[in-house]
Amino acid sequence: GAVVSQHPSRVICKSGTSVKIECRSLDFQATTMFWYRQFPKQSLMLMATSNEGSKATYEQGVEKDKFLINHASLTLSTLTVTSAHPEDSSFYICSARDRAGKSSYNSPLHFGNGTRLTVT
Amino acid sequence: AQSVTQLGSHVSVSEGALVLLRCNYSSSVPPYLFWYVQYPNQGLQLLLKYTSAATLVKGINGFEAEFKKSETSFHLTKPSAHMSDAAEYFCAQAGFNKFYFGSGTKLNVKP
Repeated sequence: GAVVSQHPSRVICKSGTSVKIECRSLDFQATTMFWYRQFPKQSLMLMATSNEGSKATYEQGVEKDKFLINHASLTLSTLTVTSAHPEDSSFYICSARDRAGKSSYNSPLHFGNGTRLTVT
Repeated sequence: AQSVTQLGSHVSVSEGALVLLRCNYSSSVPPYLFWYVQYPNQGLQLLLKYTSAATLVKGINGFEAEFKKSETSFHLTKPSAHMSDAAEYFCAQAGFNKFYFGSGTKLNVKP
């Protein structure tokens, strides 16, 4: 099945530093990847849609300059949390859709295992 | 805009009992609906998906869901709960380039 690999699974950083999270589709090509943020005991909040070869589309209220997204290839998207602050501590999850030969509507999202970011 | 509603943020059942997790979707033609499960500190795993081929959809781990257009519902069920089913479950509806997630239901299974 479609596998999405996300690294690191857990990261602790100091306030003011930047952290990069990688999301890779291992056995399929993903023209679009999605980045979510999940607060404790809450649902997923879509942060941005990452499009290969073009700029990401950010959801309302998400700071573009703080959460930098780069979708350099059909299998890799990165999220960089710049100048991290304690309030950025959260669980970040990436996902991707395998669109090869399928309708875009009924293709499920495949999720990475998430990254637990703790900013001290 | 599309929306997904999950009734009951917490559901508790005894081991061996029926599991019923409720999901209502906003009407759209056609609806593409999914159920995901999330274990602590992990991403989401696809349980099953509805794509209009059949109203009763079977998924992994013994779960199934029934699509009822008249009720705009897509409830998730499992005849007999197992301790390993304890997790959080999310219902989702797909748009062209977005997924709309419900708020999640945490399933607790009592021994």
